[in-house]
Amino acid sequence: DQQVKQNSPSLSVQEGRISILNCDYTNSMFDYFLWYKKYPAEGPTFLISISSIKDKNEDGRFTVFLNKSAKHLSLHIVPSQPGDSAVYFCAASAQSDMRFGAGTRLTVKP
Amino acid sequence: GAVVSQHPSRVICKSGTSVKIECRSLDFQATTMFWYRQFPKQSLMLMATSNEGSKATYEQGVEKDKFLINHASLTLSTLTVTSAHPEDSSFYICSARTGVEAFFGQGTRLTVV
Repeated sequence: DQQVKQNSPSLSVQEGRISILNCDYTNSMFDYFLWYKKYPAEGPTFLISISSIKDKNEDGRFTVFLNKSAKHLSLHIVPSQPGDSAVYFCAASAQSDMRFGAGTRLTVKP
Repeated sequence: GAVVSQHPSRVICKSGTSVKIECRSLDFQATTMFWYRQFPKQSLMLMATSNEGSKATYEQGVEKDKFLINHASLTLSTLTVTSAHPEDSSFYICSARTGVEAFFGQGTRLTVV
């Protein structure tokens, strides 16, 4: 039962352009959403989060948008940089539960 | 940000032996700790959730007698892979939660030969 879905396994963008990573969830009890970045053979590192009471959170080049009615969130990276190339996981949490999407591998080409 | 230390980072063991992986939150007390497994090119699969002082809650399909989880304190959780087999070879990652955020260890690459 996949409660959090990232339907795009990979995304390739040109340096300087915008990267948009999408995530959908099914459980309406989730009240906090997070994005993590993961390099090979390392643990994920926290990137940005958003509470369910907000619809946007911005931190530098990273912005997360939440559409509660659609149960959809997205991560925007602009401008994209080659160092952003990694696997991005979205996560949704509710009290003691946290679920992850399958991840999207972002490749930013110079 | 908060630091979670996972040890060892790599371990090679013989089939049939047991391996213990430690997960420590260094500068905060973790209300909940999670253990994940990642297969090549796949997502993080939640294995179990543990709260300090209580038994871990295992996900469907995860053998609790094979993957023993102990959460003895608010800063330490351990995962023991018992009677390891080659199919247990994988990348295991722990995370510790404080409030609404979770922080991850660096992961353990387990190879069973």
